[in-house]
Formats: sequence, structure tokens, C-alpha cells
Amino acid sequence: QLQLQESGPGLVTPSETLSLTCTVSGGSISSSSHHWAWVRQPPGKGLEWIGSIYYSGKTYYKPSLQSRVTITVDTSKNQFSLKMISVTAADTAIYYCTREENSSSDSWGQGTLVTVSS
Amino acid sequence: QSALTQPASVSGSPGQSITISCTGTSSDIGTYKYVSWYQQRPGKAPQLMIYEVSNRPSGISNRFSGSKSGNTASLTITGLQAEDEADYYCSSHTIVNTLPYVIFGGGTKLTVL
Repeated sequence: QLQLQESGPGLVTPSETLSLTCTVSGGSISSSSHHWAWVRQPPGKGLEWIGSIYYSGKTYYKPSLQSRVTITVDTSKNQFSLKMISVTAADTAIYYCTREENSSSDSWGQGTLVTVSS
Repeated sequence: QSALTQPASVSGSPGQSITISCTGTSSDIGTYKYVSWYQQRPGKAPQLMIYEVSNRPSGISNRFSGSKSGNTASLTITGLQAEDEADYYCSSHTIVNTLPYVIFGGGTKLTVL
């Protein structure tokens, strides 16, 4: 059974960098059928797709976030990661990592709350 | 790129049927078959209910169905049950300026009366 688990700091200082890692277990991140994505949800608000990566390293980003976001993959550790620079309070959200197939997320991590505050 | 448009809330009584709409444009729902629906209960991660417009993942009740017409996708739930009370989100593949990505709707809160 595939499981995804987010990890990283729960508190980030404004203007600093948010860094999260998703560890995949019960399946290979090198699957040719899937992409691996990050989705966030501000408290009490809707879902926002951030970006995704293929095991080869090919990335896709939401245009409005592209200048601040980098997603990387480490196939040796079965992990992928998110970095977001220059964060503000508007980046406070629950961050989910997901497995995607044809733009549909069929497996989700439990989510991790990241608060941007000084 | 604006979010897909969903009604903020819908409601129905147990046993009834409801439909949630999701309106996009010719750049997303109107062109691509990659429309999905998610159910999210309070404090939980979203769960995929429908993919590629009308397909159900294994384990999802056949009371849930999806369809698409033009730029609008719909999720229909028949035989409403109390456990269906949740937030529902649609999403679609889109390409803007040659860049592919995924766009979500704003979400619909379903209340079972």
C-alpha cells in the first residue's frame, strides 16, 4: 500500500525559504506512470496545486508560483522535495504531497501545516 | 489563470440526489478529459472520487458519478448519505503559454440535511 509522508519545519520566518520533503513508501518513485506533486491549502480555504516532478527530474509549476518554487527528486531515497523562497504570511498552509497520474492525485500524504511568522 | 468555478454550497436530504457543477474555460475543462473530483472531510486529506471526467477509482461507491459538457463538469451523488457531508473540489489539466499544470475549483460544501 502506497504511503506518502511530508516532513519539514512547521514554522518559517517571513522572507526565508520553506523546505519540505515527501517520503514515499510501498511503491517506487521511479514509476513511469506517475508524477509526484505538491498541493497546498491555506487554513479554511481551497486547494492550490503548486507543481509536480517526474522521476527523471522534469518539473511542472503553477505559473504564478514558478519564480519562487523548486521541486527536486531523489530516487535513491524514494523522496521528492519542495523549496519555496521569499515566503510571506500568504504562504501559510497545509502542504500535501501526492502521487499524480494524468493530472489526478490518487494518493495523498496526511499533510503538514507550515506557518510563516516571525 | 482563475480557479474553476464551483457553487459555495449545496444541500440535500438523505436518499436524494445532488449535482455539483464546475465551470472552466476552453483552456481547461472544455479541451481536456483530465477532470477530477475530490472529497475532503474535516481535518483529513482529500480523497480522489472521480478521474478523467467519469471514472471511479477502486473502492469508490457507484453512487458517485461524473460528466462533462462543454466547459462545465459535474459531480452527481445519488442516494445521499450522512457520510457524504464534506467539501468537494474539482480540478482540471490546463495549458497556458505552453506550460501545463493543474487548476482547482474553489470547493463546494455539501450539507446532508
